[in-house]
Amino acid sequence: KNQVEQSPQSLIILEGKNCTLQCNYTVSPFSNLRWYKQDTGRGPVSLTIMTFSENTKSNGRYTATLDADTKQSSLHITASQLSDSASYICVVGATSINNAGNMLTFGGGTRLMVKP
Amino acid sequence: NAGVTQTPKFQVLKTGQSMTLQCAQDMNHEYMSWYRQDPGMGLRLIHYSVGAGITDQGEVPNGYNVSRSTTEDFPLRLLSAAPSQTSVYFCASSYYRPSGRETQYFGPGTRLLVL
Repeated sequence: KNQVEQSPQSLIILEGKNCTLQCNYTVSPFSNLRWYKQDTGRGPVSLTIMTFSENTKSNGRYTATLDADTKQSSLHITASQLSDSASYICVVGATSINNAGNMLTFGGGTRLMVKP
Repeated sequence: NAGVTQTPKFQVLKTGQSMTLQCAQDMNHEYMSWYRQDPGMGLRLIHYSVGAGITDQGEVPNGYNVSRSTTEDFPLRLLSAAPSQTSVYFCASSYYRPSGRETQYFGPGTRLLVL
């Protein structure tokens, strides 16, 4: 069964500090890995998308890395801001057989709180 | 563009009642899908559509129906609400199936409470 596990479940950091969120997956055959930001009471918003051939992707202060060999990804947030307080969701896509289905597996998310 | 819109934002139902959650997008996306999000769990796919007139089941389709008569709209119907359907429902859309680099856009969600 395809699974995506994220750690930690929650994290509190001080404004201005850096942090790294982890994502481990067992999804096969691997197609792509996405990170989303979800503010409280809102829908997820895409931060990065990486395919098999990419091992890093940046979006402003967000940098995602991918190690397809160990099936791990991380999201690094630099110089955190209060507005970074949100849940961060790792999503792994599998190559669909016969082009069927959505083939996305969502992690449970890491809830980040940035304090002043 | 308004993006993906959902109505209502919040709804309370009694067990056995039926209702329709509305979803619309103005980006001319072919692919639309419905997810539910429960505490501590990842989003789970309920139903999806690859274009007008074509729908299929996702991971947790029981108790829900969908139809896609137009490219823009993708309503989700709860036939006979049960407390287990208490959840937050998200509609999402993309040009094609979210494989490779295809970005998926999510609506703001509908929070449903079934008593």
